[in-house]
Parts: sequence; structure tokens; C-alpha cells
Amino acid sequence: GQNIDQPTEMTATEGAIVQINCTYQTSGFNGLFWYQQHAGEAPTFLSYNVLDGLEEKGRFSSFLSRSKGYSYLLLKELQMKDSASYLCAVLDSNYQLIWGAGTKLIIKP
Amino acid sequence: GAVVSQHPSRVICKSGTSVKIECRSLDFQATTMFWYRQFPKQSLMLMATSNEGSKATYEQGVEKDKFLINHASLTLSTLTVTSAHPEDSSFYICSAGGTSDYNEQFFGPGTRLTVL
Repeated sequence: GQNIDQPTEMTATEGAIVQINCTYQTSGFNGLFWYQQHAGEAPTFLSYNVLDGLEEKGRFSSFLSRSKGYSYLLLKELQMKDSASYLCAVLDSNYQLIWGAGTKLIIKP
Repeated sequence: GAVVSQHPSRVICKSGTSVKIECRSLDFQATTMFWYRQFPKQSLMLMATSNEGSKATYEQGVEKDKFLINHASLTLSTLTVTSAHPEDSSFYICSAGGTSDYNEQFFGPGTRLTVL
């Protein structure tokens, strides 16, 4: 079966750095997405990785290792508004998005 | 960036009634639109893939006669929840296939359905 694992919840301090991990087992791979979802809202796109390595975009970076079936989202200089759920999703061989359950990130002052 | 709208944003209805949710791509043409359902504290679950001009493809376990999808144009797809029941109460989100090289999906703001 297809499976995506990420921690259920994480807590971090304002101004700090946090890394959210995602491991996946899917039938084929055509890229991995990270989305941010605030409570009661639809997800918004953060990043896309299809090749191994680190993609940096402002305070957010995303890393991918295809051989390990592993990705992480790195958030720097955390702000209170970063409190949200972060969803990892993989595009499988049929170009269907397989979603993780999401990681709820709680930022404390 | 690409914008997808959804209407209504929130709806409360009585059990047994039908509810229609519209999903529109405002500044691009979307050959494919996706309908998701999300229960509280759970991940998005794909219900169906909607292709313009053809029948929708439903995921296993989703009743096609209960969740009617119409994708009449390249900018509009509708989801009708027929004979809604309290267990259909959920957050329904549509998305449209991206216009970039990496198949990014653009999400609508979602519709909160509450069935009394």
C-alpha cells in the first residue's frame, strides 16, 4: 500500500528553527509537495521537490532524498503566524496526490 | 498566481436536502479539477477527479450517485451532495490542476457543510 508518515504535532519557540520530517512509500514518484494549512482554511502551496537536494525559499526550505523516501520542511525564524498544519503529499506514478495526515505546528512566544 | 474560488464558503442544511458547491478557476483554464473532503483533524481525502466534458472518476468508497460532479466548462466544476445526512458534514475543498511544469494544484478556499 501507499503510505506517508509525518509527526502528528510539534512545538517550537518563536524565532527558532523547526524541521518537519516526512517519509513515504508510494507506487512511483513524480514529486513531493509541502502545503501549509491554517485551521478552517484550504491548503496553500509551499514547495515542490522532484530531485534530491535542498530547495530554499525565504524562511522555508525543503529537502528530498528519493533513495531514502524522505523529505523535510525546514522553517527558520519562526513567527506566530507559522502556527498551522503542514501537509506532505507525494505525486505517485499515476500523477495522483497521496497525502500525509499533516503535522500540527504550535509556536510559543 | 492562479486563483480558485468556491461558493458557498459555508452552508447549513437539513437532513435530506441537496447542496451544490461550485468551484471556479478565475484566471486560468482547468482541464482537471479535484474534489477533496476533510474531516476534523484528518488529512485531505480525494473524492473524485473531474475532467471537463467527461464523467468524473470517483475514488473507491465514494458514492457517485450521492456526490454528483459536473465539469461543464474549463473554469467551472460543481459538486452536489444529494440527500445529505449529518455524516456528510465536512470540509469540502476543490483544486484545479496547475499551470506550471510541476503539476501544482491550486486549492479553493473550501466549503464547510453542516447537515442538521
